[in-house]
Amino acid sequence: NAGVTQTPKFQVLKTGQSMTLQCAQDMNHEYMSWYRQDPGMGLRLIHYSVGAGITDQGEVPNGYNVSRSTTEDFPLRLLSAAPSQTSVYFCASSSQWAAVHSPLHFGNGTRLTVT
Amino acid sequence: AQKITQTQPGMFVQEKEAVTLDCTYDTSDPSYGLFWYKQPSSGEMIFLIYQGSYDQQNATEGRYSLNFQKARKSANLVISASQLGDSAMYFCAMRETTGTASKLTFGTGTRLQVTL
Repeated sequence: NAGVTQTPKFQVLKTGQSMTLQCAQDMNHEYMSWYRQDPGMGLRLIHYSVGAGITDQGEVPNGYNVSRSTTEDFPLRLLSAAPSQTSVYFCASSSQWAAVHSPLHFGNGTRLTVT
Repeated sequence: AQKITQTQPGMFVQEKEAVTLDCTYDTSDPSYGLFWYKQPSSGEMIFLIYQGSYDQQNATEGRYSLNFQKARKSANLVISASQLGDSAMYFCAMRETTGTASKLTFGTGTRLQVTL
């Protein structure tokens, strides 16, 4: 009963370092997405994908890269971390069928601190 | 313009009382979905309830109901018989199709505190 699995749970980076946040789902969902959550701002969409090989930008894509080589995995890459990227990151997935009517299933989040 | 507006940053309610959390939305798309999520202090996002734009009746899930007023573009969450475990952040969200994808947009949330 894994659902959406995110790793790591916590991460501390120095400015300029790179890292990849991992996300995997076992529900055969076509749609996957990454959000960041900052105090007072709700969750904001970074990038999303509607299937393997297809990705697109959300509301706040700058500083982040994604790829989708398989249905199951959707990693988020920070190429050169900045203090402004300190946040809690959530991966979420859903069935693309019945699109607007499908709730997103969320991972447990990754708390990232950039010093 | 904000797509989802939650005007109550914080709310208090006594145990066993009902509480309404407000949410208004903005869209010109006739087909959309409205969702409420709960985020307890442990941080996970828990899906609570869904309302489709074409649904004639208000959605209900146990103690949760969604007061859907389409003409006013509001989708308020009603929690009946509040429990201490209901203390959490609550997010309203709307899913609509733009281009090839149906993206979910969140409001800024309401922090609910249930007191004895």
